[in-house]
Amino acid sequence: SQTIHQWPATLVQPVGSPLSLECTVEGTSNPNLYWYRQAAGRGLQLLFYSVGIGQISSEVPQNLSASRPQDRQFILSSKKLLLSDSGFYLCAWRIGWEAGELFFGEGSRLTVL
Amino acid sequence: GQNIDQPTEMTATEGAIVQINCTYQTSGFNGLFWYQQHAGEAPTFLSYNVLDGLEEKGRFSSFLSRSKGYSYLLLKELQMKDSASYLCAVRDSNYQLIWGAGTKLIIKP
Repeated sequence: SQTIHQWPATLVQPVGSPLSLECTVEGTSNPNLYWYRQAAGRGLQLLFYSVGIGQISSEVPQNLSASRPQDRQFILSSKKLLLSDSGFYLCAWRIGWEAGELFFGEGSRLTVL
Repeated sequence: GQNIDQPTEMTATEGAIVQINCTYQTSGFNGLFWYQQHAGEAPTFLSYNVLDGLEEKGRFSSFLSRSKGYSYLLLKELQMKDSASYLCAVRDSNYQLIWGAGTKLIIKP
């Protein structure tokens, strides 16, 4: 069966520090991978998605970046965090562009102070 | 622009029935999803509608009317564990998901 894991679950970072969130999927090949951010009282905001190794599409201009160094690994990074980067970050996957539901990782709660 | 509207919060009683509405205006339509999200956790898939009508899955049912841009999620025999946020999402013409802000459902004994 397919599983998705992301870490760390919780982190508190000072403004201006770097960020790295990692996500891995097991039990499937060539998944479509997604990074979302969820702010309180707002819908899920798509940040990045990838349909293959090394391919990244950015949906929102920001100081975040994403990379996909391996087929089932997706990384969200920042060189210098801003206060506005605080939020709940979710990694998700689905099989194929026209496939059905998304499957989410456990989420990472980021607080920037 | 693309827009998904759902009530911010609803309250219901344990054992009762509740209907959570979702209206949408999107660039194309390729299906509507409902997800459940408990506080501090990731969303989990509940239902999918692409054709008009009612889809039933145990205590949960989801209805779609494409002509009205409208869906609802019906929860029967409410249990305390159903206290959660319920997210409506529409897949647009590019097969991207557009998400509503979610409806927080509070179940009272």
